[in-house]
Amino acid sequence: EAQVTQNPRYLITVTGKKLTVTCSQNMNHEYMSWYRQDPGLGLRQIYYSMNVEVTDKGDVPEGYKVSRKEKRNFPLILESPSPNQTSLYFCASSFQRQADTQYFGPGTRLTVL
Amino acid sequence: QQPVQSPQAVILREGEDAVINCSSSKALYSVHWYRQKHGEAPVFLMILLKGGEQKGHEKISASFNEKKQQSSLYLTASQLSYSGTYFCGTITGANNLFFGTGTRLTVIP
Repeated sequence: EAQVTQNPRYLITVTGKKLTVTCSQNMNHEYMSWYRQDPGLGLRQIYYSMNVEVTDKGDVPEGYKVSRKEKRNFPLILESPSPNQTSLYFCASSFQRQADTQYFGPGTRLTVL
Repeated sequence: QQPVQSPQAVILREGEDAVINCSSSKALYSVHWYRQKHGEAPVFLMILLKGGEQKGHEKISASFNEKKQQSSLYLTASQLSYSGTYFCGTITGANNLFFGTGTRLTVIP
């Protein structure tokens, strides 16, 4: 089944404790991205990747890191999480960036205490 | 660069129609529409491309006015299953996809 998977689905952590949210797709998509969703603010792009080893900042990259060492995986890293990073995170992938469907993962709900 | 959606929320009775608008301050290459049910991931509905090509959903239609930098999503004869939050996403010359803040649609019996 074609899908985007994220792990973990739920995470409660404390300020400053490094964490990684994994994202994997099995559709051989070149383009992957991370979004955060907050009430009243919609979906805001954090980082995106056009292909392996090619990543770039989105709208709200501060406090986040990403890597794209393999085509299928695009982990999101929070080196020192803070409470303002409490949010719902979605990973998405697509064949092309502009004119193709974005396939979203199920989401990761992160709480930073 | 975030597009502006209107209205923010709308309540319909089954069978009624609704229009959701999306506007951008920048020239648009394409407009994407997604629907998100509570607690779930956004799901693709439709893409409208500059030049008129449209891909999409069989029961929901949309328009794309390049000159006005606007798009509208039309939901006709609404069903209970149409309830959710609708997001438009726009791509401008910067080639990033920016989503609006969403329109919450509630369909009641």
